[in-house]
Amino acid sequence: GAVVSQHPSWVICKSGTSVKIECRSLDFQATTMFWYRQFPKQSLMLMATSNEGSKATYEQGVEKDKFLINHASLTLSTLTVTSAHPEDSSFYICSARVITEAFFGQGTRLTVV
Amino acid sequence: RKEVEQDPGPFNVPEGATVAFNCTYSNSASQSFFWYRQDCRKEPKLLMSVYSSGNEDGRFTAQLNRASQYISLLIRDSKLSDSATYLCVVNNNNDMRFGAGTRLTVKP
Repeated sequence: GAVVSQHPSWVICKSGTSVKIECRSLDFQATTMFWYRQFPKQSLMLMATSNEGSKATYEQGVEKDKFLINHASLTLSTLTVTSAHPEDSSFYICSARVITEAFFGQGTRLTVV
Repeated sequence: RKEVEQDPGPFNVPEGATVAFNCTYSNSASQSFFWYRQDCRKEPKLLMSVYSSGNEDGRFTAQLNRASQYISLLIRDSKLSDSATYLCVVNNNNDMRFGAGTRLTVKP
């Protein structure tokens, strides 16, 4: 199947700092990528849809100025959590689709202290 | 009401048992359905798609009931390696919605 690579797999940062997460499609081109957040024992919640060459589409309740998304090429989308706070600690996962199947990155476990 | 609802479990079963999970969805216009498996602290991976006629893949059987808006997954002869969280996923026009998952633990 298709491969989506996400980096870093885990990060610990101080409150107020920014963290960038990268998501790459390794063997296919993805015009659209999806960013999810998952809190413990909860479902994946879609945060935003990243579109190559245009602005991301954010879900209701997700602050676009806090979660900056850049999809500059057909194989790379980045999510930057700006001015991170402890409540932003979560598991962030990106995804790209091939036809109807979703392929996920390995996820990034963010801990803000 | 949540868009996709699952019994969170946990389901604790012995090896060799048969276990079934159900999932209900609220959007009657949903077009495609899947079961994903997620291991602890890992990304979800596709287990199987769910077709209207029902489908089987080895020990796994998936069923879809559009009239009642529910999906099921049956695991026969469960193995220790089946221990994971099983996510029900419903897709409508490329808008995928995930259930919170049902946790399964298979014990020796």
